[in-house]
Amino acid sequence: EPEVTQTPSHQVTQMGQEVILRCVPISNHLYFYWYRQILGQKVEFLVSFYNNEISEKSEIFDDQFSVERPDGSNFTLKIRSTKLEDSAMYFCASSDWVSPRDNEQFFGPGTRLTVL
Amino acid sequence: DAKTTQPTSMDCAEGRAANLPCNHSTISGNEYVYWYRQIHSQGPQYIIHGLKNNETNEMASLIITEDRKSSTLILPHATLRDTAVYYCIVEYSSASKIIFGSGTRLSIRP
Repeated sequence: EPEVTQTPSHQVTQMGQEVILRCVPISNHLYFYWYRQILGQKVEFLVSFYNNEISEKSEIFDDQFSVERPDGSNFTLKIRSTKLEDSAMYFCASSDWVSPRDNEQFFGPGTRLTVL
Repeated sequence: DAKTTQPTSMDCAEGRAANLPCNHSTISGNEYVYWYRQIHSQGPQYIIHGLKNNETNEMASLIITEDRKSSTLILPHATLRDTAVYYCIVEYSSASKIIFGSGTRLSIRP
């Protein structure tokens, strides 16, 4: 069964450093998403991406964040200068959205980002 | 913000049916009801969705009231692996973001 994969599973970085989180969505999917979950809190939407551009972004997704689909398979989330409060689990998701009836999103296992 | 209301927690005996309620009294005509779950430390997992009619798949059944203001997710034979947080989500009919609420923490007891 096809699945979304994410690397690395755990990333530790120093405050102020840049990090890139990587995702390989399901191959025939066209819509891509990033979510994050701070420990003990809700899963929060960050950004959606379609046709090589951002479709929607939340207030969390400020200028420190960027997304890219550098090739036909990878989808990346970059945080330019990490802050302590960026420590969270980051989930990538994808969907094919054939119709309103088929909008389930498939989530990856997550990358745990720890900022020291 | 989430447009649904769910109990904070529930428990169920292993092997019994787990019935998880959800209120979505402000749902509009073109909005689907989706259910996801999150097993500890894993990514959310899609379970089922529906618009008006009851739905069933290999994981669960979804019962939607006639007025569509509430629904119930049914796990017919709960196992310990069904212990998770279950999210009831009302989505627009577009490829939109998922707004997760706090969900229902379901504990399955042996």
